[in-house]
Amino acid sequence: AQSVTQLDSQVPVFEEAPVELRCNYSSSVSVYLFWYVQYPNQGLQLLLKYLSGSTLVESINGFEAEFNKSQTSFHLRKPSVHISDTAEYFCAVSGYILTGGGNKLTFGTGTQLKVEL
Amino acid sequence: DGGITQSPKYLFRKEGQNVTLSCEQNLNHDAMYWYRQDPGQGLRLIYYSQIVNDFQKGDIAEGYSVSREKKESFPLTVTSAQKNPTAFYLCASSIRDRGSDTQYFGPGTRLTVL
Repeated sequence: AQSVTQLDSQVPVFEEAPVELRCNYSSSVSVYLFWYVQYPNQGLQLLLKYLSGSTLVESINGFEAEFNKSQTSFHLRKPSVHISDTAEYFCAVSGYILTGGGNKLTFGTGTQLKVEL
Repeated sequence: DGGITQSPKYLFRKEGQNVTLSCEQNLNHDAMYWYRQDPGQGLRLIYYSQIVNDFQKGDIAEGYSVSREKKESFPLTVTSAQKNPTAFYLCASSIRDRGSDTQYFGPGTRLTVL
């Protein structure tokens, strides 16, 4: 079984301030972790992912996330946010489905990031 | 342009009617997925298909049906047996169905049952 916990449902922050969106996971198999972003009434877009190797992964728009195996966390950070970062962010873990086969992406409940002037 | 299309963007139906949501991809992906999104609940897997002519139930398959007759198409039917069908429906695809494969999402269909 696998699960993802995003404890913060909403995070308000002022423009140019740093932000951290928390994600904790549980999984009994090899871990692949993802962060997706969703703008209003749109689909999800991949922000970044951890598959293996370096525990720090970065996106092209300044976000980064660090895989911490001992704390089972994959927190998302950005040193300086912009108004355009206002969106909902979903953390997800991928794992093997025992019944039926294949892999399942399990999502957290999402964190709404609201950047204010 | 390669991508995933879903149609229609908004759909209104009367209670008791079946409705089919379209999902098409031109990414040459083998695996396709349907998710349901409700406020505050994240995304939940309805059905998935690893290959043409094969599909598996996800976590909340009751009241839904799918088909996978072509690689590029994975339509979802919301039947009258689905007790609370009003939601945002997202289709996704990935190259194959390995854990490391990224799932790419379509723009979604918002279904409202009146």
